[in-house]
Amino acid sequence: GAGVSQSPSNKVTEKGKDVELRCDPISGHTALYWYRQSLGQGLEFLIYFQGNSAPDKSGLPSDRFSAERTGESVSTLTIQRTQQEDSAVYLCASTQGYEQYFGPGTRLTVT
Amino acid sequence: GENVEQHPSTLSVQEGDSAVIKCTYSDSASNYFPWYKQELGKRPQLIIDIRSNVGEKKDQRIAVTLNKTAKHFSLHITETQPEDSAVYFCAASKGGSYIPTFGRGTSLIVHP
Repeated sequence: GAGVSQSPSNKVTEKGKDVELRCDPISGHTALYWYRQSLGQGLEFLIYFQGNSAPDKSGLPSDRFSAERTGESVSTLTIQRTQQEDSAVYLCASTQGYEQYFGPGTRLTVT
Repeated sequence: GENVEQHPSTLSVQEGDSAVIKCTYSDSASNYFPWYKQELGKRPQLIIDIRSNVGEKKDQRIAVTLNKTAKHFSLHITETQPEDSAVYFCAASKGGSYIPTFGRGTSLIVHP
């Protein structure tokens, strides 16, 4: 079946603008995670959705970052007033059980 | 919270050699330990995982060992090939409903 998809694949934006990143998880997967990966670095956890429970936002680096998920479907990660340090690849992953399935990521470049 | 340390950060081997990547974790309640491979520009993909009720798991050229007492686990790749070149991440979690903690990654380079 279809895997996790993300859009856009690449986004270039000017400093100070808002951006919205989208994640389509695998159908039926109740859990969804957002991560940030800076160049040559590991996976930095941002936010976690599990079913209808309140999301775990403990990894969000500032109040400029927010995310929503409608039920067990699409999630959007919004970054307001982007800064150059926000430049990174943003990955989402969905899971049903233990294994995480990652999307291809959105490469965000803030100029 | 959980802390996962991964070593080495870079590993360079000749084709045909074995490669070993080690991770330690801090939370004794962690019971699931996956390994992901991330090729350049690609998404991380699960290559093998182990749960705390077993000490070793093997899948063709790759194997993972777990020592719960010492809180460390390792990835072993035998007969390395150039296509094994990638960044490998270990992780630890308390199960499917918990947020995994990832290591910082190991860049494996296999020279032909």
